[in-house]
Amino acid sequence: TQLLEQSPQFLSIQEGENLTVYCNSSSVFSSLQWYRQEPGEGPVLLVTVVTGGEVKKLKRLTFQFGDARKDSSLHITAAQPGDTGLYLCAGAPNDYKLSFGAGTTVTVRA
Amino acid sequence: NAGVMQNPRHLVRRRGQEARLRCSPMKGHSHVYWYRQLPEEGLKFMVYLQKENIIDESGMPKERFSAEFPKEGPSILRIQQVVRGDSAAYFCASSPQDGIQYFGAGTRLSVL
Repeated sequence: TQLLEQSPQFLSIQEGENLTVYCNSSSVFSSLQWYRQEPGEGPVLLVTVVTGGEVKKLKRLTFQFGDARKDSSLHITAAQPGDTGLYLCAGAPNDYKLSFGAGTTVTVRA
Repeated sequence: NAGVMQNPRHLVRRRGQEARLRCSPMKGHSHVYWYRQLPEEGLKFMVYLQKENIIDESGMPKERFSAEFPKEGPSILRIQQVVRGDSAAYFCASSPQDGIQYFGAGTRLSVL
């Protein structure tokens, strides 16, 4: 069983639409990270959320950390084909050992 | 991914051969982590090392797998007598002390 559950597993949308990816757990995390991974490459860190209820914006991407620090969401506004990729949430309930969700594959069609 | 260098990017081995995967951490980072990504699965922690020390190898199979991070040179993940089930992408990450982990581009191991 995954410590972090991501949904949906796959998401295909038209350019210009909005999308939201969810990351849920029954465990409390001191922080959660969101990464994006493109085919044949390693995960690239997008953001770290630390405080319960925190909202961080990165251009068209909005990240939210749940009040109880058990869940997080990633919202993309007006998606573009360049947003296509595998989005991963990760957290370390015990310091360094990152646990990853299985990922959400996002495809943005032109 | 800038700074964490992994090589080779692709490695093909026949069953029974040895695979050696190398990772040079970002400059100034003394903590190295190895993760494995199997097809259709998320990344799984394998081992955490500091210079000349294995801190946590709880995610690494007990047989055939070993890792080191010598005083000089890259970290090495070694897989002896590879089997088809070892085929996966292996990622190295590095961090400053207790810091955010930055990942390399990975080594894709294919076992024939």
